[in-house]
Amino acid sequence: DADVTQTPRNRITKTGKRIMLECSQTKGHDRMYWYRQDPGLGLQLIYYSFDVKDINKGEISDGYSVSRQAQAKFSLSLESAIPNQTALYFCATSRQGDEQFFGPGTRLTVL
Amino acid sequence: GDSVTQMEGPVTLSEEAFLTINCTYTATGYPSLFWYVQYPGEGLQLLLKATKADDKGSNKGFEATYRKETTSFHLEKGSVQVSDSAVYFCALRNTGGFKTIFGAGTRLFVKA
Repeated sequence: DADVTQTPRNRITKTGKRIMLECSQTKGHDRMYWYRQDPGLGLQLIYYSFDVKDINKGEISDGYSVSRQAQAKFSLSLESAIPNQTALYFCATSRQGDEQFFGPGTRLTVL
Repeated sequence: GDSVTQMEGPVTLSEEAFLTINCTYTATGYPSLFWYVQYPGEGLQLLLKATKADDKGSNKGFEATYRKETTSFHLEKGSVQVSDSAVYFCALRNTGGFKTIFGAGTRLFVKA
């Protein structure tokens, strides 16, 4: 079984809809991250969390919110989706000072 | 701020050719450097890393040497295979840092 899982893997939605992307991990890591990937732009950090009570904004947090329900779960929400949020979204985990482990990604299309 | 610049792709090579993907960085202090690889339809996975100057990271025939004097961490492989076709990301994490900064990625196509 995968160590970092994301659901759904693909989602098509309409402008103005609320969307939640979920991430779960079995690696026991305390740190979790949400990234957005656009062609030619690499990965941009949306939010990160060092533990259940610690949530921090990344480079591009506007239009997004997160919830750390447990050490193993970190959800990303788009309160009112817009077309320029169409992208590939990745969740990642790590221990302090260590490499990051990525989920398989969620491809989101906002029409 | 910290940044990573890597060569634009796509890079197209024939099987058994030599590969170099250039990566340079800007950072304060003493960052750790990474190469991640993303195969089609998958998330990123760590390929190799180096944590201090002159360290060489290596894995699966790929190598990269941490060059502080040129602020570079170029990825090399002596003989690529079709299965190496993927997107390669150079990244850094600064000392005591909590964020990893990624380059834009370089897509590699290897032809049989």
